[in-house]
Amino acid sequence: EIVMTQSPATLSVSPGERATLSCRASQSVSSNLAWYQQKPGQPPRLLIYVTSTRATGIPARFSGSGSGTEFTLTISSLQSEDFALYYCQQYNNWPWTFGQGTKVEIK
Amino acid sequence: QVQLVQSGAEVKKPGASVKVSCKASGYTFTDYYMHWVRQAPGQGLEWMGWINPNSGGTDYAQKFQGRVTMTRDTSISTAYMDLSRLKSDDTAVYYCAKDLSYYGSVSCPDYWGQGTLVTVSS
Repeated sequence: EIVMTQSPATLSVSPGERATLSCRASQSVSSNLAWYQQKPGQPPRLLIYVTSTRATGIPARFSGSGSGTEFTLTISSLQSEDFALYYCQQYNNWPWTFGQGTKVEIK
Repeated sequence: QVQLVQSGAEVKKPGASVKVSCKASGYTFTDYYMHWVRQAPGQGLEWMGWINPNSGGTDYAQKFQGRVTMTRDTSISTAYMDLSRLKSDDTAVYYCAKDLSYYGSVSCPDYWGQGTLVTVSS
């Protein structure tokens, strides 16, 4: 199965600053990469799919890029509601797999 | 609006089985695959499998083969996940999640249920 590795594990950022989260796949997943946001006690929320397409209702400050094995989620100007856990997920090879998550916390 | 409403929390003994339901509304149930994903306390997300509500076809992660069964009842737009021979490390929140892609292909989930906590304890 494909192993997804996210870095860093924790990212400390001040409100209004830019956050850059990384995700690496153990083999190519083409562009079949999604990002999710999860807050405590809530289910994951789809942010980005096929690497760079924002899901319905997702603000433009969220953007995704990459291909193959290296992917990035960028939050251009962090808002208070963006402090959460973020997961990447590949859906190119079964079983679909998630990264272990990056926690974005207030600096 | 799309809604997935799951059944309530369960407490089971080791060796028992659990069946979690997921009632869908706000879209055509048979047009989108349904995934099941679990999350152990304080841990990450783990894929269990999916079901095609139209055909009833399934695909399960190898880890769960032989222990998980995913079914559906199209008359009430409800998907089910049955996990047998429960162990303490099956304690987790179990989510159903609707696939993003319309009819006939599998991609990633877009809408998720609220989750069902299954606790396995003697």
